[in-house]
Amino acid sequence: NAGVTQTPKFQVLKTGQSMTLQCAQDMNHNSMYWYRQDPGMGLRLIYYSASEGTTDKGEVPNGYNVSRLNKREFSLRLESAAPSQTSVYFCASSLLGDRGYTFGSGTRLTVV
Amino acid sequence: KQEVTQIPAALSVPEGENLVLNCSFTDSAIYNLQWFRQDPGKGLTSLLLIQSSQREQTSGRLNASLDKSSGRSTLYIAASQPGDSATYLCAVRDSGGSNYKLTFGKGTLLTVNP
Repeated sequence: NAGVTQTPKFQVLKTGQSMTLQCAQDMNHNSMYWYRQDPGMGLRLIYYSASEGTTDKGEVPNGYNVSRLNKREFSLRLESAAPSQTSVYFCASSLLGDRGYTFGSGTRLTVV
Repeated sequence: KQEVTQIPAALSVPEGENLVLNCSFTDSAIYNLQWFRQDPGKGLTSLLLIQSSQREQTSGRLNASLDKSSGRSTLYIAASQPGDSATYLCAVRDSGGSNYKLTFGKGTLLTVNP
């Protein structure tokens, strides 16, 4: 089925460990996004890629890096995980802003 | 900076009732507004997308309206069912720029009781 695929779905890390969250879309969308969702805070934008080859910081970029590998894939890397990064991470994509957004099913990350 | 507020934060209704969820935004210069549904532990499912030039959109029992000048949108759910129980999120995309990013409200948790 067409859509946004995120891997892994669940992950537990120890403080200081690193990991990469993967995201791929098969809808030929131009723009891709990473959000985090925390209780009481709602969804907040971490990084986005308006088009292949470009990335920009969102509202809460500290502690994260991203790579737009190609038009389909947009990864999020935590270099040195901290408990404050415990959250649910969502990847999204859009063709153009006027077409709306499609979200992945999320990655639930716990940092202990 | 755009801010999106959703009222109420939680709503509990009996099955069959018609209901309205509210969304307000501080900057009326928006490109579009999107309503999502989120089930517990799941991702976001798009329900309705309203462009800034539109007044409303309908899909089945759902109707979303937009009053850009007053910074408000409503999601109307007719004849509610227990399966409608979920968190409903409103998100706006600001006009201008090329990033297309969304600003979300914190959602309304809807419970429809059988």
